Amino acid sequence: GQQVMQIPQYQHVQEGEDFTTYCNSSTTLSNIQWYKQRPGGHPVFLIQLVKSGEVKKQKRLTFQFGEAKKNSSLHITATQTTDVGTYFCAHHTDKLIFGTGTRLQVFP
Amino acid sequence: DSGVTQTPKHLITATGQRVTLRCSPRSGDLSVYWYQQSLDQGLQFLIQYYNGEERAKGNILERFSAQQFPDLHSELNLSSLELGDSALYFCASSVDPPRGQGLYNSPLHFGNGTRLTVT
Repeated sequence: GQQVMQIPQYQHVQEGEDFTTYCNSSTTLSNIQWYKQRPGGHPVFLIQLVKSGEVKKQKRLTFQFGEAKKNSSLHITATQTTDVGTYFCAHHTDKLIFGTGTRLQVFP
Repeated sequence: DSGVTQTPKHLITATGQRVTLRCSPRSGDLSVYWYQQSLDQGLQFLIQYYNGEERAKGNILERFSAQQFPDLHSELNLSSLELGDSALYFCASSVDPPRGQGLYNSPLHFGNGTRLTVT
């Protein structure tokens, strides 16, 4: 089946530092979705990208979809302790397949 | 609140037993997805139902089965439980279109999950 890999697996940052997670696929993706799961919580939808080279912003979060539609990234500027959690990318065909996730820890 | 309801919240049972997890989707959503998340692991897709019919299957064990009822709620049945089945089981719902009638790109709305502990 289609595999979507995410790197890094873990990231520890000091509050105020930036953070980026990358999502890579060996095949072209029709779309990419991003979810955040807080510790002890459930995944929550953040955004969807469908166009080649698309860039979307949500406050301090910037999402990009690669030109070849095989990779995507989520960048958080000036992290805050509220950003703690695991960030998943996901590809939706007839089922939603999640990437391996990046766990972000932010130290105050 | 996502609007997706899962019960029970916690379940503790012994190996060899059978349990049923229940999910009520958001009002208006016809698709229900089931995922398994083991400790510190990713989300493994198990199965999806659309308006009562199975639509997609993931790496679901033969000991596991699911169904979606006419009122659209869904149940995931886990039998002959093993220690390794201990995990968080999430249900999610979505407004996916009928097969062949549009793009599958609707967001999933997750329930709070059922934490299963097999002892």
